[in-house]
Amino acid sequence: EPEVTQTPSHQVTQMGQEVILRCVPISNHLYFYWYRQILGQKVEFLVSFYNNEISEKSEIFDDQFSVERPDGSNFTLKIRSTKLEDSAMYFCASSPGQGAGNTIYFGEGSWLTVV
Amino acid sequence: GQNIDQPTEMTATEGAIVQINCTYQTSGFNGLFWYQQHAGEAPTFLSYNVLDGLEEKGRFSSFLSRSKGYSYLLLKELQMKDSASYLCAVRAGANNLFFGTGTRLTVIP
Repeated sequence: EPEVTQTPSHQVTQMGQEVILRCVPISNHLYFYWYRQILGQKVEFLVSFYNNEISEKSEIFDDQFSVERPDGSNFTLKIRSTKLEDSAMYFCASSPGQGAGNTIYFGEGSWLTVV
Repeated sequence: GQNIDQPTEMTATEGAIVQINCTYQTSGFNGLFWYQQHAGEAPTFLSYNVLDGLEEKGRFSSFLSRSKGYSYLLLKELQMKDSASYLCAVRAGANNLFFGTGTRLTVIP
């Protein structure tokens, strides 16, 4: 069964460093997302991406964050200067289309620890 | 904005039936989804409802009442492996999912 894959599974970085999290969405999906989950808290929406541009973003997704689809298969999340509060599990997700009935499928997550 | 409420924890016995409730308030409602999440893992899709009524998928069923802003997930013939968090998520607008805090279900022998 096709799945969303993410790398790395776990990354430790120093505060202030740049981090890039990588994702390969399911191949025939058109919509891509990043969510995050701080330990013990709920899953939070960060950004959605369609047709090579951001379609929606949350208040969390400030100027420190950016997303890119550098080629036909990868989808990346960059955090320019990490802060301690960026420590979380970051989930990439994709869906075939938009609207009712289009399920969003999640990857296994990248656990980011900022020290 | 979105407001999604579900119980924090529930305990049920192996072989039994458990119902996990979710209430929501949202603008631009466009479907309600249930996900299962084991600790440290990704949310895994279980079911969704767009129209009122009951959707059944094997041991799992989900119900929606849009007028009441209410949904429940019903798990039958509970197994130990069903111990996990169950996340209620509302799709608002075109696409994005907004999650509740999840209900941690513990299945005991």
